Amino acid sequence: DVKVTQSSRYLVKRTGEKVFLECVQDMDHENMFWYRQDPGLGLRLIYFSYDVKMKEKGDIPEGYSVSREKKERFSLILESASTNQTSMYLCASSLREWGAFFGQGTRLTVV
Amino acid sequence: KNQVEQSPQSLIILEGKNCTLQCNYTVSPFSNLRWYKQDTGRGPVSLTIMTFSENTKSNGRYTATLDADTKQSSLHITASQLSDSASYICVVSGMSGANNLFFGTGTRLTVIP
Repeated sequence: DVKVTQSSRYLVKRTGEKVFLECVQDMDHENMFWYRQDPGLGLRLIYFSYDVKMKEKGDIPEGYSVSREKKERFSLILESASTNQTSMYLCASSLREWGAFFGQGTRLTVV
Repeated sequence: KNQVEQSPQSLIILEGKNCTLQCNYTVSPFSNLRWYKQDTGRGPVSLTIMTFSENTKSNGRYTATLDADTKQSSLHITASQLSDSASYICVVSGMSGANNLFFGTGTRLTVIP
């Protein structure tokens, strides 16, 4: 079975800190995604990547950047964390014919 | 426009009862449809995947159906258990582009004793 692993389940950071969320998948998928999930808003796409070093903005990229140096790893970076970035962050990888597989989620709280 | 709509938004049922969740989509061209279960504070876990040629697929007490002509899918849960309380999300994959995932907003199911 596909495994998508996010580096942390829970994270508490201070306003202004630089935050790294790491995601690793083990199935050689080309596509990887970062979403945030907030009550009443569903999953919203922050960034996605369709190949190493390739990235595309999603619906809400402001305040975030990403890095994909290796195929299996996709990192989400909050350059200067703010309280409105407190959320559940979900990483996913996908293969067109098989749909998406999600990580366990990172609950980020910015204080 | 590619869209996925789920109904109902929320549902409360008694333990042991059956229920059916609906997913309608307009995604075209269509690749596959997955139903996910998401427990509170956790990432979505895939229950079933349906491709164009499949009508029904079961995973234990979960049975998904797909009508590709009408672009409708349902998830039927039999003999519900308290642990079925979760959000159920329908995700449709299109054939075009790398960002080809389209999400429903989910159905929040609560099973009460």
